[in-house]
Amino acid sequence: GENVEQHPSTLSVQEGDSAVIKCTYSDSASNYFPWYKQELGKRPQLIIDIRSNVGEKKDQRIAVTLNKTAKHFSLHITETQPEDSAVYFCAASPSGYSTLTFGKGTMLLVSP
Amino acid sequence: DTEVTQTPKHLVMGMTNKKSLKCEQHMGHRAMYWYKQKAKKPPELMFVYSYEKLSINESVPSRFSPECPNSSLLNLHLHALQPEDSALYLCASSQEARTDNYGYTFGSGTRLTVV
Repeated sequence: GENVEQHPSTLSVQEGDSAVIKCTYSDSASNYFPWYKQELGKRPQLIIDIRSNVGEKKDQRIAVTLNKTAKHFSLHITETQPEDSAVYFCAASPSGYSTLTFGKGTMLLVSP
Repeated sequence: DTEVTQTPKHLVMGMTNKKSLKCEQHMGHRAMYWYKQKAKKPPELMFVYSYEKLSINESVPSRFSPECPNSSLLNLHLHALQPEDSALYLCASSQEARTDNYGYTFGSGTRLTVV
């Protein structure tokens, strides 16, 4: 089955800095890679996703890059704000299925 | 309606109790999922229903019994749970199960405490 590794487990930045979270996956058949943000006590919310036929995708301050050859993908958040503080999960989904395997999560702390 | 609704939001039950979690969506999705999330851990897949039939059971203990009465509803029946089953139980739905993932939305979850 798929295995997703996520680093770092905790990331502390100052407001306005950039934050980068990295994930690797094991199953070369995976073709969909979403990122979820989860605030304390709330549901995971999809913030951005990328498919294996695309190398990069951007949505305002958030971007995701994918390297299929190396089987890794990264989340980039620019101009971080305190409200970006949350746990971020990467995930991978195999081709032909809608199930998700999650990384262990990264707690992002943005200090004012 | 683009939401997945879960009830109850919180549930405390004893180890001898029988209770049910409910999940509802009206987006016409034909796949529905149960995930379990322990504190400070990622969600873990439990069950997948596709066209109201169970298609994936991730080796979940029989004290958890899923049911899909119709295409909009998904239940999770709980019986003889253990304290270690305390967790956030998340429901999700998607258009299809056996197709490339187009992403899905999680419900708000039921926070279950077993005492």
